[in-house]
Amino acid sequence: LAKTTQPISMDSYEGQEVNITCSHNNIATNDYITWYQQFPSQGPRFIIQGYKTKVTNEVASLFIPADRKSSTLSLPRVSLSDTAVYYCLVVSSGGYQKVTFGTGTKLQVIP
Amino acid sequence: NAGVMQNPRHLVRRRGQEARLRCSPMKGHSHVYWYRQLPEEGLKFMVYLQKENIIDESGMPKERFSAEFPKEGPSILRIQQVVRGDSAAYFCASSPRGPDTGELFFGEGSRLTVL
Repeated sequence: LAKTTQPISMDSYEGQEVNITCSHNNIATNDYITWYQQFPSQGPRFIIQGYKTKVTNEVASLFIPADRKSSTLSLPRVSLSDTAVYYCLVVSSGGYQKVTFGTGTKLQVIP
Repeated sequence: NAGVMQNPRHLVRRRGQEARLRCSPMKGHSHVYWYRQLPEEGLKFMVYLQKENIIDESGMPKERFSAEFPKEGPSILRIQQVVRGDSAAYFCASSPRGPDTGELFFGEGSRLTVL
């Protein structure tokens, strides 16, 4: 099971682009990188998943370099409502492995 | 299509009482997961169930905790003889297939307070 490391917290002003980097040095060939968002007093919500290069959806972009040992979640022009904890997970598609969450990155958006 | 429904949202118990937390997965989802979250901490995996079967309970405390997902009805997380350290938010998630898809759908959680 690949271990992930991400910053504990980040602050950003409204309107800025936020990049949260996650390292997963021992990621395996069958592993995908998945990000969740959790607002206070709510359950986590899946936001994006990728295997390599770049993935973009209406919420965020995910950049994964060729060696896949890290990934960067990019949130364009954040607003106060993006204040949340962001979790980086490595999920295996090759056989059962439980889905585990680390402590995440607490993003505080400042007006 | 309703999301994952958890109840009760808030539960207060005195030490030694039992707590039962219920989770109705999304329609068509046969895989259920329970996580526990202490204040200011991440989610800790507890158990993964698939209809009528416990697949992985490696995160469940050995005593007082049990989980089930019967053929009919919601999944139940049961905590017997609660202690103050059981106070936490308990989240249930479901998925249409196994965890290898990586996309779990979470409920709003049940917040247990033990007095």
